[in-house]
Amino acid sequence: GAGVSQTPSNKVTEKGKYVELRCDPISGHTALYWYRQSLGQGPEFLIYFQGTGAADDSGLPNDRFFAVRPEGSVSTLKIQRTERGDSAVYLCASSSSGGVSEAFFGQGTRLTVV
Amino acid sequence: QQQVKQSPQSLIVQKGGISIINCAYENTAFDYFPWYQQFPGKGPALLIAIRPDVSEKKEGRFTISFNKSAKQFSLHIMDSQPGDSATYFCAASNAGGTSYGKLTFGQGTILTVHP
Repeated sequence: GAGVSQTPSNKVTEKGKYVELRCDPISGHTALYWYRQSLGQGPEFLIYFQGTGAADDSGLPNDRFFAVRPEGSVSTLKIQRTERGDSAVYLCASSSSGGVSEAFFGQGTRLTVV
Repeated sequence: QQQVKQSPQSLIVQKGGISIINCAYENTAFDYFPWYQQFPGKGPALLIAIRPDVSEKKEGRFTISFNKSAKQFSLHIMDSQPGDSATYFCAASNAGGTSYGKLTFGQGTILTVHP
């Protein structure tokens, strides 16, 4: 596609529920990143994929968060037993390689846990 | 040690003026310093980036100044326009072991340019 696509744009869920957030990277981009942006803050790194494997998941806050990229393209961020503190905008970015290449961000998924 | 501190939190300038945003970092392993622009409801978009082997980089009205010894870098927007009104983030990363895309962001600066 023309850019990084994230779905849904908005997601409202009840506390304790499970959610999945989807990211379609730019075609051909091998590197994919997930970030979380709380209101009034800069994005915070969550996890980085190079191809199908998670090369760095040091930013995942706890074991309720998990992400997959089974075919090296689309990625899904999964959050179990959601909490109100999980409310944020979840951003996905992709780049053509893990080296010196620009990371392009999607528009984000706004997650609200009520 | 991974922090990037950004100031000011907000900035108001008149059309045609110069906007200056500053950032300081702690991790000397950082070797890539981009600036991102973000409009409401949109994801961040890369504006300009610099590596520590140069002290300044200019692209159109946007200039990054980099001071390696002070571990500081700044964004200058010349001839600021109302369309520049957005939130600006500095960031830093270390390609060693991971990639330039694993970014540590500053807290952001909300820039408002009055006509």
